[in-house]
Amino acid sequence: DTTVKQNPRYKLARVGKPVNLICSQTMNHDTMYWYQKKPNQAPKLLLFYYDKILNREADTFEKFQSSRPNNSFCSLYIGSAGLEYSAMYLCASSRRDWGNTQYFGPGTRLLVL
Amino acid sequence: AQSVTQPDARVTVSEGASLQLRCKYSYSATPYLFWYVQYPRQGLQLLLKYYSGDPVVQGVNGFEAEFSKSNSSFHLRKASVHWSDSAVYFCAVSMLGANTGKLTFGHGTILRVHP
Repeated sequence: DTTVKQNPRYKLARVGKPVNLICSQTMNHDTMYWYQKKPNQAPKLLLFYYDKILNREADTFEKFQSSRPNNSFCSLYIGSAGLEYSAMYLCASSRRDWGNTQYFGPGTRLLVL
Repeated sequence: AQSVTQPDARVTVSEGASLQLRCKYSYSATPYLFWYVQYPRQGLQLLLKYYSGDPVVQGVNGFEAEFSKSNSSFHLRKASVHWSDSAVYFCAVSMLGANTGKLTFGHGTILRVHP
């Protein structure tokens, strides 16, 4: 089974409110990633967990948090949503070795109003 | 900084026609190269990947891609497209280094195949 699951599939949030997105995988992958995808833009890596080590991209360091309570689950947390956070959020997992395939979930579409 | 360029935002072809989707990358060394596809309401799925060896690599569903070091390109091809190939196609690269596994994507090419 190469399924990556994301919940919820759609999320409506108010400006200033927190948002928590969930991702799970059962492939025992050591690495899990979160990407942000806006229309007509490339998916942008926000952060990734290698095992229990969190790596956040420099330009999104302050905006997103994440936790990985066990190997299978990973969350993406926005403390105070702004309009600019409206996007598709893609979770992926892989073994960390270079060139390994990343397996993607269907995404969570977040709309902030 | 490395980058990936997909110069065609949208491509429309007739069913049965041949297809080429272009991808160019900017990086001093040869990275790992990928093509992913995203069908409506689904996650990205790997079509094929390449690092070394025969510059023409075969993927799923009749897709292939050709690597050109001199052109820094990794174009995707299919001899005869089907309407079900309508999707968004992403080219991506991965560097060897501290962030091994991290993917840098192009903006994607929306492919529409009409009957």
